[in-house]
Amino acid sequence: GIQVEQSPPDLILQEGANSTLRCNFSDSVNNLQWFHQNPWGQLINLFYIPSGTKQNGRLSATTVATERYSLLYISSSQTTDSGVYFCAAAGGYSSASKIIFGSGTRLSIRP
Amino acid sequence: KAGVTQTPRYLIKTRGQQVTLSCSPISGHRSVSWYQQTPGQGLQFLFEYFSETQRNKGNFPGRFSGRQFSNSRSEMNVSTLELGDSALYLCASSLQNTEAFFGQGTRLTVV
Repeated sequence: GIQVEQSPPDLILQEGANSTLRCNFSDSVNNLQWFHQNPWGQLINLFYIPSGTKQNGRLSATTVATERYSLLYISSSQTTDSGVYFCAAAGGYSSASKIIFGSGTRLSIRP
Repeated sequence: KAGVTQTPRYLIKTRGQQVTLSCSPISGHRSVSWYQQTPGQGLQFLFEYFSETQRNKGNFPGRFSGRQFSNSRSEMNVSTLELGDSALYLCASSLQNTEAFFGQGTRLTVV
């Protein structure tokens, strides 16, 4: 099945800095999502982005499906951006709803 | 519109007991997936149901089972609980093969 790898595992930045989180996947995908997990455990949808580029405020994401990677950009980081960010992917028609998660990037924004 | 609802939010059970968790998907969503999150193993796919049929299954023992009802609500059951089953169980719903939305999770503690 598809494998998803995220890097870096941990990232510590000062408030106001920009960050780039990377997600590599092992096969073609028809579903690629980025999530932020809040302190209570809920996964908050950031982007549904199997290909192309999207932006939402200070966050943007790009998926280059042919090269099997996706990037999440966070600009002008705030302390509220801290937490764990997950990339998740699914591929193949029969497994399109079998979403596989990466191990996450733990982002810490220092004031 | 209402999001994915999981009940109960917290649960404490004793080894050897069984437990049933419930998930109500977003109205109109017919696909429901279940995931287990532990510190050691991360987020792992358990199974996915679509129109009352299990379409995909992860690598979990037979003690983990699920079902989906005609109104798309889903339940998962874990029998003969073990200490290692302590985890956050997350449910996701989606239209077929599209963006998944997660509930707040059920935190199960086995003592």
